Amino acid sequence: SQTIHQWPATLVQPVGSPLSLECTVEGTSNPNLYWYRQAAGRGLQLLFYSVGIGQISSEVPQNLSASRPQDRQFILSSKKLLLSDSGFYLCACVKMDSKETQYFGPGTRLLVL
Amino acid sequence: QKEVEQNSGPLSVPEGAIASLNCTYSDRVSQSFFWYRQYSGKSPELIMSIYSNGDKEDGRFTAQLNKASQYVSLLIRDSQPSDSATYLCAVNGPGRRALTFGSGTRLQVQP
Repeated sequence: SQTIHQWPATLVQPVGSPLSLECTVEGTSNPNLYWYRQAAGRGLQLLFYSVGIGQISSEVPQNLSASRPQDRQFILSSKKLLLSDSGFYLCACVKMDSKETQYFGPGTRLLVL
Repeated sequence: QKEVEQNSGPLSVPEGAIASLNCTYSDRVSQSFFWYRQYSGKSPELIMSIYSNGDKEDGRFTAQLNKASQYVSLLIRDSQPSDSATYLCAVNGPGRRALTFGSGTRLQVQP
C-alpha cells in the first residue's frame, strides 16, 4: 500500500514570507496527487490536483502555487504568505487502480503571524 | 445547495449505543461514496467505501447507500469513546477531478 509523507509537520511563518511544503508518495506509481487546506473548524478545500509530472490544475485562485517535479513529489509554494493562509495542509493520493479511493498524508499545520 | 451535506453536530451518544451519521448529495450521477474519520488535529483516515445500493458491513461499521434518495449513511455499532471524532462523507462521479467532501459531523461518545 502507498505511504504519504509530508514535511514539515508544523510551521510558523511571518506574513510576507515564502512557503514551501513537500509531499512525497511511496508504494505506487503515477498517482493522482492533491493539495487540500482545512481552516480551523472548517471543511476540506481542494487547492490543486495533478495527474502527472508537470501537470497542475488550480481549483481556487490565490497566492499559492503547486509543482510536481517528479512522479511521486508534490510541492505547495507561496512567494508571500497572508494571514488567511493559516491552516492544516493535506496532501492526498489516488492510486490509478484504486477506484478513486483517496488517502491522506499526515498534514502540515501552518500558522502565519 | 451544497453538493454534499452533513449535519455538523455534535451528535452525542452513550457508550455501547448505535451512532447513525447521515449524508446527502446533490449530483445524481455520483458513483463512489466514502466515509472518513478525522480525529482532532489529525488527517482524515478512510473507514469505508461503498459503490452499490444497500448495506456494506466492516466490523462495527455499516455503510448504507440509497442512490434513489441520494443519501449515504454510516452506522457505528457498540460505540466507544475512541470513536469520538469528526466523520467526513465524500462523493465522486464521472468527470470529477476529485472527491467532494461534506463539512463533517462531529460525534461524541459519552462513557
